[in-house]
Amino acid sequence: EVRLVQSGAEVKKPGESLKISCKVSGYSFSEYWIGWVRQMPGKGLEWMGVIYPGDSDTRYSPSFQGQVTISADKSISTAYLQWSSLKASDTAMYYCARHLSQLRWGWFDPWGQGTLVTVSS
Amino acid sequence: QSVLTQPPSASGTPGQRVTISCSGSSSNIGSNTVNWYLQLPGTAPKLLIETNNQRPSGVPDRFSGSKSGTSASLAISGLQSEDEADYYCAAWDDSLNGVVFGGGTKLTVL
Repeated sequence: EVRLVQSGAEVKKPGESLKISCKVSGYSFSEYWIGWVRQMPGKGLEWMGVIYPGDSDTRYSPSFQGQVTISADKSISTAYLQWSSLKASDTAMYYCARHLSQLRWGWFDPWGQGTLVTVSS
Repeated sequence: QSVLTQPPSASGTPGQRVTISCSGSSSNIGSNTVNWYLQLPGTAPKLLIETNNQRPSGVPDRFSGSKSGTSASLAISGLQSEDEADYYCAAWDDSLNGVVFGGGTKLTVL
């Protein structure tokens, strides 16, 4: 069974750094893109970017380029999303998902359960 | 403002057929495939339709997708109360070089 298990909820202060994780099992981690999607409270889904763990090729949405860093550790089949300086506007649920097929033609399946990040002073 | 445009809400009674539209442009739906995701309240999104009209294993045949030009549609027939959820369309956008989502449609079963 393919599973993506994300790290637990986080409560942080503005300016703090954070790294959340997405551990996968049930398939070869290196062979599929992994993406990150943001959902702000009461809002829709926003694509943040993807990484190909096999060679660490990473693509970012223009909206998130420079705001976050996506990385992966093949040795432990885990993808990461990190911030160096959080803002209150980063408060959201963050999902990781496996991207099947080529980027232009592909789709996300399955999804992780989500990590809720709350940034408040 | 989402790149793909969906109606914010839709509704129907049990047993009815409902369609949800998704409008894009030549740089996304017009040149790439469309996927649909279902998000039940308080849960992670789940794949519903991939590559315009393909149902993954386990998705009932009550759900169907179609695409024409720069628009796509999701149809749900034999509406059931458990279909109450948010539905999102998505496609790759060649101009933005990334995935774009619709704003989501909240389906209410009356």
